[in-house]
Amino acid sequence: AQSVTQPDIHITVSEGASLELRCNYSYGATPYLFWYVQSPGQGLQLLLKYFSGDTLVQGIKGFEAEFKRSQSSFNLRKPSVHWSDAAEYFCAVGAHSGNTPLVFGKGTRLSVIA
Amino acid sequence: DSGVTQTPKHLITATGQRVTLRCSPRSGDLSVYWYQQSLDQGLQFLIQYYNGEERAKGNILERFSAQQFPDLHSELNLSSLELGDSALYFCASSVVRGDNTGELFFGEGSRLTVL
Repeated sequence: AQSVTQPDIHITVSEGASLELRCNYSYGATPYLFWYVQSPGQGLQLLLKYFSGDTLVQGIKGFEAEFKRSQSSFNLRKPSVHWSDAAEYFCAVGAHSGNTPLVFGKGTRLSVIA
Repeated sequence: DSGVTQTPKHLITATGQRVTLRCSPRSGDLSVYWYQQSLDQGLQFLIQYYNGEERAKGNILERFSAQQFPDLHSELNLSSLELGDSALYFCASSVVRGDNTGELFFGEGSRLTVL
């Protein structure tokens, strides 16, 4: 069965600092991998996705993530955090066939301080 | 705006009652998914419908049921409500085409409070 681990429940960074959110997954084949962001009172918005090809994927809002098969990881990065990035971030894994439910990690809450 | 519409946005009810949550998927999306988000359990998959048929089932309680109608909208019915059912319920839809890469598009959720 698929599973996702996000080891950090809460991270606080200073505005302008770099950010890395960790995600490890368990899946028996090549997965589809996703990062979603949830602002307070909002639904989940897709930041980026990996399904094949280049292991470094670019997303919206200046985010990127790198798929490392050997480490079963898909960490999210941003070189310079803005105050508006404060939100909950979820990593998710899906089957390569698509049209299947995604399994989500428990999320990492990001706080940004001045 | 993801294109997925959920109603109502907020709902307050009492234990033992029954409620219905409604979801309209993005235009053209055939699959609808229901998730429950609570503080202790995170995002839990409940059930998926594809073109009117149940396709996958997750951690859905027997007190809960869902269906997808011919116009592809879906309803999640929650009955004999308990305090622990208080949560944010999300609907999501997905594109089903040959180039499907699996992402889900989420509505803004229905927040259920059971008193």
